[in-house]
Amino acid sequence: DGGITQSPKYLFRKEGQNVTLSCEQNLNHDAMYWYRQDPGQGLRLIYYSQIVNDFQKGDIAEGYSVSREKKESFPLTVTSAQKNPTAFYLCASRGQGRVDQPQHFGDGTRLSIL
Amino acid sequence: RKEVEQDPGPFNVPEGATVAFNCTYSNSASQSFFWYRQDCRKEPKLLMSVYSSGNEDGRFTAQLNRASQYISLLIRDSKLSDSATYLCVVPTTGFQKLVFGTGTRLLVSP
Repeated sequence: DGGITQSPKYLFRKEGQNVTLSCEQNLNHDAMYWYRQDPGQGLRLIYYSQIVNDFQKGDIAEGYSVSREKKESFPLTVTSAQKNPTAFYLCASRGQGRVDQPQHFGDGTRLSIL
Repeated sequence: RKEVEQDPGPFNVPEGATVAFNCTYSNSASQSFFWYRQDCRKEPKLLMSVYSSGNEDGRFTAQLNRASQYISLLIRDSKLSDSATYLCVVPTTGFQKLVFGTGTRLLVSP
């Protein structure tokens, strides 16, 4: 089945540790996105990538890093510089064709601090 | 004005009721809009795309008022399974990014 796969579903981070969240898609989508959602809040954009080997900061990029070495993969690293990492992290991708297509989401990773 | 603004609710309605939510947006150049549904602790899922004046899909109708810069979502004959948070989403100019509203919570009771 085509889709977006995020792993792990739950992740715990120790103080001072970097952790990496995986996002893989087999939809042949060019554009991929990472969002953070805090309880009772909307989605906030962390990073996005329109094409392989290129990515841009979103609204809350500080303390995060990404890479886009392959079309199907867009991993997000939550670094120790991110002092409040506890949140629900969502990866999305957007299809080809008309530029105003909606995004489709993976089922998310919940990150907590130990 | 915020880029996308929604009434957080919750809207409490009985089964079978008709309910409508509004969403206002600030970018007058926006041409397309989306409504997503998000269940508790789950990812958002696309409910409807709105590319012109409106869209209808079964019990759901989305309408766009460009002059007043708002879009609405109407749900007829509400079901218990409609209980969720409904997110209004507007692309930025150039469509590189989507801006998500904080959502309107709907609770449908028996």
